[in-house]
Amino acid sequence: DTGVSQNPRHKITKRGQNVTFRCDPISEHNRLYWYRQTLGQGPEFLTYFQNEAQLEKSRLLSDRFSAERPKGSFSTLEIQRTEQGDSAMYLCASSPPPRGAAPNYFGPGTRLTVT
Amino acid sequence: DQQVKQNSPSLSVQEGRISILNCDYTNSMFDYFLWYKKYPAEGPTFLISISSIKDKNEDGRFTVFLNKSAKHLSLHIVPSQPGDSAVYFCAASEAGGGADGLTFGKGTHLIIQP
Repeated sequence: DTGVSQNPRHKITKRGQNVTFRCDPISEHNRLYWYRQTLGQGPEFLTYFQNEAQLEKSRLLSDRFSAERPKGSFSTLEIQRTEQGDSAMYLCASSPPPRGAAPNYFGPGTRLTVT
Repeated sequence: DQQVKQNSPSLSVQEGRISILNCDYTNSMFDYFLWYKKYPAEGPTFLISISSIKDKNEDGRFTVFLNKSAKHLSLHIVPSQPGDSAVYFCAASEAGGGADGLTFGKGTHLIIQP
């Protein structure tokens, strides 16, 4: 079990550029989540996939944000036309198939800085 | 409106003593509660969870207590060790957990003093 991995770990970009992050969940986990964390706050839920289906999106996920999980394995999160307010840690988490409640297991995160 | 509240931004405890971290919630639909530990520059690490059908869950040095009527949960760490110094997040979800995203508090920074 290699855990959840995220790439890149750090990204610095200029305002207006597009960025894409990748998440590889734990292999047997079919549920995948994206969160965003800013300084002094807890992680905030952005979106959730079960297999390849995107089942839930937070109102935090503006139309500049898009997430995909094309084959139900890895996922990408793209932010178009980045703004300084997008600077945050973007966290991916995965969870095993529903057999009652189960925790989210988090990756190390991608820290985005928009200059 | 914050649905999960951790009112103590920081807590300092002597090594070997008990650490008690508190969390309050407002959403009565929450039925699954978790505690995470986070070191700087790392993702949160799952510690322990509790379902709303229980009032206590124990795992080694960590015990979580749930008081549904007060909408309050707490994490007890005993004995506290230097490696426990980290930020601790309380989280909650509805519908049996997992299907919906977790709602987190702002965290409590626990400092274990030698």
